[in-house]
Amino acid sequence: AQSVSQHNHHVILSEAASLELGCNYSYGGTVNLFWYVQYPGQHLQLLLKYFSGDPLVKGIKGFEAEFIKSKFSFNLRKPSVQWSDTAEYFCAVILSGYSTLTFGKGTMLLVSP
Amino acid sequence: KAGVTQTPRYLIKTRGQQVTLSCSPISGHRSVSWYQQTPGQGLQFLFEYFSETQRNKGNFPGRFSGRQFSNSRSEMNVSTLELGDSALYLCASSRRGGRDTEAFFGQGTRLTVV
Repeated sequence: AQSVSQHNHHVILSEAASLELGCNYSYGGTVNLFWYVQYPGQHLQLLLKYFSGDPLVKGIKGFEAEFIKSKFSFNLRKPSVQWSDTAEYFCAVILSGYSTLTFGKGTMLLVSP
Repeated sequence: KAGVTQTPRYLIKTRGQQVTLSCSPISGHRSVSWYQQTPGQGLQFLFEYFSETQRNKGNFPGRFSGRQFSNSRSEMNVSTLELGDSALYLCASSRRGGRDTEAFFGQGTRLTVV
């Protein structure tokens, strides 16, 4: 069965540090890829998405992600995090032929001021 | 433009009872999906409805069911509640579902079973 793996369950960074959250999926076919963020007490929001084209995608709030097909990866990056980036981050995929999101277990990011 | 609205926001139920949760999608969206979010399992897909038909179903027991109305609003029902059903239930809507569409999530209904 298809799956999505997020390598870190918890990440703690200081403000201005760089961020990279890993995401790998196990599926050999065509996929669409997403990163969602859930701020404390708020609903899931889309950070960025990859459907096709340029594998380096830019999202909201300075986040970007790179799709590397050969590595089945879609890692999320931000050059300099802020305290307000404290949230839980979810990687998700939609597989070809399906219409539902498969999520990773999430990474809780805590940014200390 | 109103977002995805889920009601109620919080529920406390007793084991053995049943519960119905409601989701109103964004206007014009015809696909509604439901997810269960728990600390241990993360987000797990329950089912998806499109134009009043269940299009996909996740790996949950038959106690979990849903439906979609002609105005795209959706309800999910859980019968014979168990303690393990305590979770945040999220609804997501999109224009037509499928690979190339973006899903928008509601704030969820937090169900506590005691």
